[in-house]
Amino acid sequence: DAGVIQSPRHEVTEMGQEVTLRCKPISGHNSLFWYRQTMMRGLELLIYFNNNVPIDDSGMPEDRFSAKMPNASFSTLKIQPSEPRDSAVYFCASTQVHGYTFGSGTRLTVV
Amino acid sequence: KQEVTQIPAALSVPEGENLVLNCSFTDSAIYNLQWFRQDPGKGLTSLLLIQSSQREQTSGRLNASLDKSSGRSTLYIAASQPGDSATYLCAGGDGNKLVFGAGTILRVKS
Repeated sequence: DAGVIQSPRHEVTEMGQEVTLRCKPISGHNSLFWYRQTMMRGLELLIYFNNNVPIDDSGMPEDRFSAKMPNASFSTLKIQPSEPRDSAVYFCASTQVHGYTFGSGTRLTVV
Repeated sequence: KQEVTQIPAALSVPEGENLVLNCSFTDSAIYNLQWFRQDPGKGLTSLLLIQSSQREQTSGRLNASLDKSSGRSTLYIAASQPGDSATYLCAGGDGNKLVFGAGTILRVKS
């Protein structure tokens, strides 16, 4: 199994631009999570899906953030418009019942 | 709301020492607890998972225990090596999502 796959690995964008982060969970895993990691706040849960349905998006910081999971093998996290304070590492994780597997993350820099 | 605290925030030990990392959580209705390792600039690697019916798990030189009544988990690393240097994160799950501690930065000196 290739694990949880995230793309891109690095993204540098200008303030105001739209950013889309992508995630492919492990096949057979029915839950998918988006986390954000910063030095100041550590790892924060943004949103999670069960069986492609968003369950809890209370961690999404603002309306500029949105996430979709159109099918069991793909999810996106979109920031529009992006701001410098969105700079962080964004992780995707998946699980079936027990144990979470994380992707390698996307390092986002908004200048 | 579950809160996870890790002590110490940083630890520096000479090679060969046995060490203990501590994790405490506020909600005893924890479903499972997972320890991760994170190397600088990298993702999270799962080390050990303790499910709700279990009290400890072992993998090689690592042993993790879970005491739900006291709200604590410990990660024991035996005979530490420089390659163990990393940030160690514990995370408590409620059956749906994981809540992370801030991590312990471990440095093992050769």
